[in-house]
Amino acid sequence: KAGVTQTPRYLIKTRGQQVTLSCSPISGHRSVSWYQQTPGQGLQFLFEYFSETQRNKGNFPGRFSGRQFSNSRSEMNVSTLELGDSALYLCASSPGTSRADTQYFGPGTRLTVL
Amino acid sequence: GDSVTQMEGPVTLSEEAFLTINCTYTATGYPSLFWYVQYPGEGLQLLLKATKADDKGSNKGFEATYRKETTSFHLEKGSVQVSDSAVYFCAPYQGGKLIFGQGTELSVKP
Repeated sequence: KAGVTQTPRYLIKTRGQQVTLSCSPISGHRSVSWYQQTPGQGLQFLFEYFSETQRNKGNFPGRFSGRQFSNSRSEMNVSTLELGDSALYLCASSPGTSRADTQYFGPGTRLTVL
Repeated sequence: GDSVTQMEGPVTLSEEAFLTINCTYTATGYPSLFWYVQYPGEGLQLLLKATKADDKGSNKGFEATYRKETTSFHLEKGSVQVSDSAVYFCAPYQGGKLIFGQGTELSVKP
């Protein structure tokens, strides 16, 4: 099975712009979660989508949003970028039906905000 | 709220040394517990997991036992290799999300 893929791998944006990141889960997985990784805050949960519905949400401002399509692919959008949004954004997929499910991570998108 | 405390790094060991990385967590109920590893420039890879009390997860020589009474999930390996150099994350799955510790950087010298 192919793993989780994320595009693009690297992005450079300027403050005030918006950005869209994409994640394709493992075939058959219906849950996609997004995490932000920074040196200062570590790994923090953004949100989870399951069957096109947001099922869980972390403590991030409304500038961070996402969606999931019928084929389980997910996009994450960040509007009005701030310098502090510079981070590695990781998505993870899982079957989403059990707390014992393993979340499989993609390689991440490295976002730099100038 | 739910949280994870991991042993602070960096941890530097010689090849073939014994490794322990401590992890304790606070969570309601019975979370599933995971260890992930991150190599430079890469995403997270599952190392092992345990889903109920007293379960032992194991993979590639690494082991960790789910200790409900002490809310701990310490990672151990009997003999580390240079290729084990990476950052290790302990993470209970609770409330629909993984809650990560700050990570422990391991450096193994030949």
